[in-house]
Amino acid sequence: DAGVTQSPTHLIKTRGQQVTLRCSPISGHKSVSWYQQVLGQGPQFIFQYYEKEERGRGNFPDRFSARQFPNYSSELNVNALLLGDSALYLCASSTPDAGFHEQFFGPGTRLTVL
Amino acid sequence: AQSVTQLDSHVSVSEGTPVLLRCNYSSSYSPSLFWYVQHPNKGLQLLLKYTSAATLVKGINGFEAEFKKSETSFHLTKPSAHMSDAAEYFCVVSDLDRGGADGLTFGKGTHLIIQP
Repeated sequence: DAGVTQSPTHLIKTRGQQVTLRCSPISGHKSVSWYQQVLGQGPQFIFQYYEKEERGRGNFPDRFSARQFPNYSSELNVNALLLGDSALYLCASSTPDAGFHEQFFGPGTRLTVL
Repeated sequence: AQSVTQLDSHVSVSEGTPVLLRCNYSSSYSPSLFWYVQHPNKGLQLLLKYTSAATLVKGINGFEAEFKKSETSFHLTKPSAHMSDAAEYFCVVSDLDRGGADGLTFGKGTHLIIQP
């Protein structure tokens, strides 16, 4: 069975640009969460989506947005990129059967902002 | 609000000796607690989880953790360290009563070094 997949693996952008990151959950999982992991820190929660609806949002500015599609895949968009947005962006999938708590992570997208 | 404090940023042990990684949590509701491991350039892997069942939780690769409510702790242990255990370890909390809508809250991580 395929795990959580993310694309692209690496991305380099310049300040002010916009970026879109993509995630496909484990087959059968209807919830996707996004996390930002800055170098040397633990991941921080950005969004959770379930059945195409936003379930939860972390403390991130409005430049960050996301959506979930009918096939449960998801996109994370970041506008007006700042140097501080350079990080590993992780996607995780889960199901309500375990209360959304047990999350399975993808390998991440490494974003570098120059 | 939920939070996690990992008490050591780095832990160094010799191969074959016990491992102890310390974690304290704060949660307004009933917590669900996890330990994840992250090897260099690899994704996060779940080691073990506590969800209000048995307080002593066994995980993969010989790791286990004990939930102590009175001490608000969830320390990770392993009887004998192996070179392949060298990695970054994260203690994680999620509030059960909030249905996971606040996402997982990660500690800052403990870097485990295994000396030959």
